[in-house]
Amino acid sequence: KAGVTQTPRYLIKTRGQQVTLSCSPISGHRSVSWYQQTPGQGLQFLFEYFSETQRNKGNFPGRFSGRQFSNSRSEMNVSTLELGDSALYLCASSLESGSAYNEQFFGPGTRLTVL
Amino acid sequence: QKEVEQDPGPLSVPEGAIVSLNCTYSNSAFQYFMWYRQYSRKGPELLMYTYSSGNKEDGRFTAQVDKSSKYISLFIRDSQPSDSATYLCAMNRGYQKVTFGIGTKLQVIP
Repeated sequence: KAGVTQTPRYLIKTRGQQVTLSCSPISGHRSVSWYQQTPGQGLQFLFEYFSETQRNKGNFPGRFSGRQFSNSRSEMNVSTLELGDSALYLCASSLESGSAYNEQFFGPGTRLTVL
Repeated sequence: QKEVEQDPGPLSVPEGAIVSLNCTYSNSAFQYFMWYRQYSRKGPELLMYTYSSGNKEDGRFTAQVDKSSKYISLFIRDSQPSDSATYLCAMNRGYQKVTFGIGTKLQVIP
């Protein structure tokens, strides 16, 4: 079974631009979560999508947004990029979403550098 | 103050040593406690998860949770150079919003 795939793996943008990252979950998984990882803050939760609906949201500004398609693939968008947005963006998929434990499987991430 | 505190290290140990990794947390609502391993240029992979307090063993790895002290630990016995990675503690209340520690970088020296 193929794992979580993320594209592109590396991206370089300049301040003020916008960027779209893509995530394909494991086949059959319906929940996709996005995280930002930086050396200073570690892994921070951005948002989760389940059945095309945002279920949870972290403490990030509105410049960070996402969506999920009917095939469970997800995209996240960052508008008006800032230098501080340079980070590894990780996507994680799980079978379900709910109050019980649902293991998350992570992709390799997209390394975004903002110049 | 962060919800989850973890010493970033680095931690260097000789091959064969017992490694102890720890995290403290402040949110008593957390129910599920996880340990992830992350190799360089890779995404985190789940090592173990526990529900509520207690111990859980899986091969050379033992996870401990003490909810009364808000303290979790991961022990690695007979450490190997292949265990060299960053270890992340993580926890949540269910649902997919997981709170991570900053990660401890471990190096096992042959």
